[in-house]
Amino acid sequence: GNSVTQMEGPVTLSEEAFLTINCTYTATGYPSLFWYVQYPGEGLQLLLKATKADDKGSNKGFEATYRKETTSFHLEKGSVQVSDSAVYFCALTISNFGNEKLTFGTGTRLTIIP
Amino acid sequence: GAVVSQHPSRVICKSGTSVKIECRSLDFQATTMFWYRQFPKQSLMLMATSNEGSKATYEQGVEKDKFLINHASLTLSTLTVTSAHPEDSSFYICSARDQSKRVLGDTQYFGPGTRLTVL
Repeated sequence: GNSVTQMEGPVTLSEEAFLTINCTYTATGYPSLFWYVQYPGEGLQLLLKATKADDKGSNKGFEATYRKETTSFHLEKGSVQVSDSAVYFCALTISNFGNEKLTFGTGTRLTIIP
Repeated sequence: GAVVSQHPSRVICKSGTSVKIECRSLDFQATTMFWYRQFPKQSLMLMATSNEGSKATYEQGVEKDKFLINHASLTLSTLTVTSAHPEDSSFYICSARDQSKRVLGDTQYFGPGTRLTVL
C-alpha cells in the first residue's frame, strides 16, 4: 500500500532559522507528492507539489525536491518567519484525475518564536 | 481562493445520539467531496468519497451504516455519525474537489474541520 512518514513534531525554531521537515514515502506506482499547510483555524492549503522525479516544488520561500532514489520529499526553507507557524502535512497520490485520493503523513507542528 | 466551510466547528454530544456535519463549497461546484478523520498525532485517514447524486464510496473498514453521507447538491455534502459512541470522538475534515480545474493536486480544497466529542 501507500504510506507517508514525516518527522514528528513539534518543531520550534527561532525566526530566520533554517527549516527542514523530513518526509519519505512508499507507493505502489508512480506518485505525485505534495506539501499541505494548515494555519490555526483554517483548512489545509496546498503549499507546493512535484509530479515527477527531480522536480522541485516551491512556494512562499519553501522548497521540496522529489527524490525517487531515496523516496523522499523533504520540505526546506532558508529563513522562517513567525507567520510560518502552522501544521505541515506531506502527502501523495497515484490517482488519476477525477478521484484523487490523498495519503497523508501525520503532520508536523511548527512554531516559530520571535 | 476557493473556500470550503464546515459546520459545526465543534460539537459535544451524549452517547447514542446522532450528529450531522455539513461541508459546503462556497464559491465553486464540487461533484466530488472527501471525508477524512484525524486522530491525535495521526495522519488524516480517508473515510469516504462523496459523489453528488450517487452513493458514497467508503474506504475499507469504514462502516457505511455508521457514517452516513449525503451529497445532495453541487455545494453541500453531509456526514451523519449515527448512534455516536466515545470511540467516534475525533476530528473530521472534508475536502471538495473543484470540478472546473484540471491540474493534478490543485483541485482539492479543505474545510477547517469539526471536532466531535462524544461523552
